[in-house]
Amino acid sequence: DTGVSQDPRHKITKRGQNVTFRCDPISEHNRLYWYRQTLGQGPEFLTYFQNEAQLEKSRLLSDRFSAERPKGSFSTLEIQRTEQGDSAMYLCASSFGGNNSPLHFGNGTRLTVT
Amino acid sequence: LAKTTQPISMDSYEGQEVNITCSHNNIATNDYITWYQQFPSQGPRFIIQGYKTKVTNEVASLFIPADRKSSTLSLPRVSLSDTAVYYCLVGDLHTGGFKTIFGAGTRLFVKA
Repeated sequence: DTGVSQDPRHKITKRGQNVTFRCDPISEHNRLYWYRQTLGQGPEFLTYFQNEAQLEKSRLLSDRFSAERPKGSFSTLEIQRTEQGDSAMYLCASSFGGNNSPLHFGNGTRLTVT
Repeated sequence: LAKTTQPISMDSYEGQEVNITCSHNNIATNDYITWYQQFPSQGPRFIIQGYKTKVTNEVASLFIPADRKSSTLSLPRVSLSDTAVYYCLVGDLHTGGFKTIFGAGTRLFVKA
């Protein structure tokens, strides 16, 4: 089953450090999404790509956050100068992008900022 | 984006049918209703999606009344492994429904 893959699964970093997460979507999916989830809450939308183009960003995505999807395949999410408030699960999802195609999520990267 | 309301938690026993209802009074014409299941330390998993009436797959059924202002996810004969959080989402996934606020979902506890 070649589902959505995320790496690493866990990341512990010190405040002020930069971190980068990777997402490999389902190969035939042209849309890719990033979400953030904190304990006890549902996922919150951060940004999405249609192929290599980043089409929308949430207000939650501060200037310290940047996402890329070179060549429309895998994606990276970088957080610069991490803060303790960045501690969360970062989820990636992908979809066909057709009418109401459901999102397929990866198992996320758990970030802990100490 | 349509707002949804669902119970915070539900308890059930193995072998019982579980029905989780979601209210979405301001659902738009193009909106679909999608349910996800999430286990701890995993991403949400798509369960079922529907627009109107009834949809059934190998995992669940989704009942949607004619006014579409609510929907009910039905899980037949639950087992311990169905203990999870269930999210109801309403939106047009193609044009922005993916920004829908998941909310806190419904925490289902299945007991032996």
